[in-house]
Amino acid sequence: DAEITQSPRHKITETGRQVTLACHQTWNHNNMFWYRQDLGHGLRLIHYSYGVHDTNKGEVSDGYSVSRSNTEDLPLTLESAASSQTSVYFCASSERGPDTQYFGPGTRLTVL
Amino acid sequence: GQNIDQPTEMTATEGAIVQINCTYQTSGFNGLFWYQQHAGEAPTFLSYNVLDGLEEKGRFSSFLSRSKGYSYLLLKELQMKDSASYLCAVRARPGSYQLTFGKGTKLSVIP
Repeated sequence: DAEITQSPRHKITETGRQVTLACHQTWNHNNMFWYRQDLGHGLRLIHYSYGVHDTNKGEVSDGYSVSRSNTEDLPLTLESAASSQTSVYFCASSERGPDTQYFGPGTRLTVL
Repeated sequence: GQNIDQPTEMTATEGAIVQINCTYQTSGFNGLFWYQQHAGEAPTFLSYNVLDGLEEKGRFSSFLSRSKGYSYLLLKELQMKDSASYLCAVRARPGSYQLTFGKGTKLSVIP
């Protein structure tokens, strides 16, 4: 069955380290999104991509970057992790026509 | 800017009906989505409205009034498993696939 996966599911890191969160989908969707979810804020868009080599900034992109080298993967990199980036991160994908977004299981990141 | 408002928490009784409201003020409008999210899990799609009116899907229905910037999700015959957060999300622009989410409504179903 087609699916969307994220790894790792849990990560603890230290301030200043570079961290990469993986997102992989097998639906062959063109659109992929990264969100963070924090108490009191709901889901906020970090970056998104509408296809290979396309990337765009979302509402809360500072300190994060993405790259899209193929259809299936959109890794999210925290260049220098900060305690404010402690959060649950969700990846999602959708197709251009029926663009319902389908979410991965999430990654809980703790920055100490 | 985009502003989406939902009640923070609601409580309802098993077997009852509950209505979760969502109001939005966005720079444009091209569709409204409802998602369900159980604690510790990913959001899952419930419904989509782009035209005014009611969309029914089993025990769940969603209503949209574009002129009022208003939607609601109606849950009938509540079950304990319906205890979850319900997220309202708006797609503001045609050709854009971005969603702006409200903060979600945490629904507790009690016996």
